[in-house]
Amino acid sequence: QQQVKQSPQSLIVQKGGIPIINCAYENTAFDYFPWYQQFPGKGPALLIAIRPDVSEKKEGRFTISFNKSAKQFSLHIMDSQPGDSATYFCAASIGNTDKLIFGTGTRLQVFP
Amino acid sequence: EPEVTQTPSHQVTQMGQEVILRCVPISNHLYFYWYRQILGQKVEFLVSFYNNEISEKSEIFDDQFSVERPDGSNFTLKIRSTKLEDSAMYFCASSVQENTEAFFGQGTRLTVV
Repeated sequence: QQQVKQSPQSLIVQKGGIPIINCAYENTAFDYFPWYQQFPGKGPALLIAIRPDVSEKKEGRFTISFNKSAKQFSLHIMDSQPGDSATYFCAASIGNTDKLIFGTGTRLQVFP
Repeated sequence: EPEVTQTPSHQVTQMGQEVILRCVPISNHLYFYWYRQILGQKVEFLVSFYNNEISEKSEIFDDQFSVERPDGSNFTLKIRSTKLEDSAMYFCASSVQENTEAFFGQGTRLTVV
């Protein structure tokens, strides 16, 4: 119940494409859903986060879609660029705790 | 821009030795965390720390691990007797309050030989 399932494991798109990464959870107590971007040898960097009271959040080229009834959320990257090539992790946490449960990660490659 | 800093960036140690990984969280943050990432795998929670005590820990964080905030700026993770399977990237993170944005450091790569 504490797991966050992430797919796909890897994704290859061409520049300008819109990669979509999906995550699903079971525990309805989760109430904070961030996405992290990680480049090789670096720490995860917060990209964007959402709470279950909204269905969509957009920051620049990054959009989170949230479906509370389906217990799913996804990251869309508009007009993807080669510099977006990285590993993306979804995560979730519960309000009365402070640990993040991470998904298994998606390795994104954007080709010119 | 404030950031979480970790030292060293890479540590090699012999099995059975003690290691201390150091972190300087963002100055106005009150919640501190250690996570680890075994090569190619997901990031796993180890421990959270608030108000000078552990607030939560995972099954991974057994008696071999300890954390400390020895002064107003540093936050350390000690592994008393390292095992081969402790080899991983260790990330320190901090946040202003619980269940909000956590900012991660660059990590310390620990290699146990």
